[in-house]
Amino acid sequence: DIQMTQSPLSLSASVGDRVTITCQASQDIANYLNWYQHKPGKAPNLLIYEASNLETGVPSRFSGSGSGTDFTFTISNLQPEDFATYFCQQYDNLSLTFGGGTKVEIK
Amino acid sequence: QVQLVESGGGVVQPGRSLRLSCAASGFTFSSYALHWVRQAPGKGLEWVAGISYGGDNKYSAHSVKGRFTISRDNSKKILYLQMNSLRVEDTAVYYCARGQQWLYYWGQGTLVTVSS
Repeated sequence: DIQMTQSPLSLSASVGDRVTITCQASQDIANYLNWYQHKPGKAPNLLIYEASNLETGVPSRFSGSGSGTDFTFTISNLQPEDFATYFCQQYDNLSLTFGGGTKVEIK
Repeated sequence: QVQLVESGGGVVQPGRSLRLSCAASGFTFSSYALHWVRQAPGKGLEWVAGISYGGDNKYSAHSVKGRFTISRDNSKKILYLQMNSLRVEDTAVYYCARGQQWLYYWGQGTLVTVSS
């Protein structure tokens, strides 16, 4: 099974900051990597698919990059509504794996 | 609009069974793969199981293999998760979600608590 190692576990940042989260796959997954935002009591929200494609309606301050085993998710100009937990997710046919999540907190 | 509504959660003793349902509307149910994803209290998201649009292909996580079974009824537009031999560590909010490679539509979740 493919394992996803996400870091950091949590981070503190201020409004306006640039935030970077990484995800590493245990084997080459090409660009089969997605990113979600999750807020307490709500369903997760897809932000980025296939490593770098911004989902429709998602603000352009969110971006993703990478391929193979190493991936990066960036929020530029952090906004108050962006404080949440972010997860990466890989797919191998119908078998999925999520990263452990990164909680973005207010500094 | 697309809706996924989970039901069937509740409190159950370890070793017992429970069946979750996810009723879908607003899209052609039989054209999409579906998944169950859970989140235990204070933990991250964990993929549980996935099923192809026709129901022929099923995959599940190692943590539930042999205990949980995913299925679907395309005529009724319902996704199921049969959970047997439940353990305390299966306590979580269970979400159904639509998609093959990425999950755009999610339900609001149903809470399963396994406790004696």
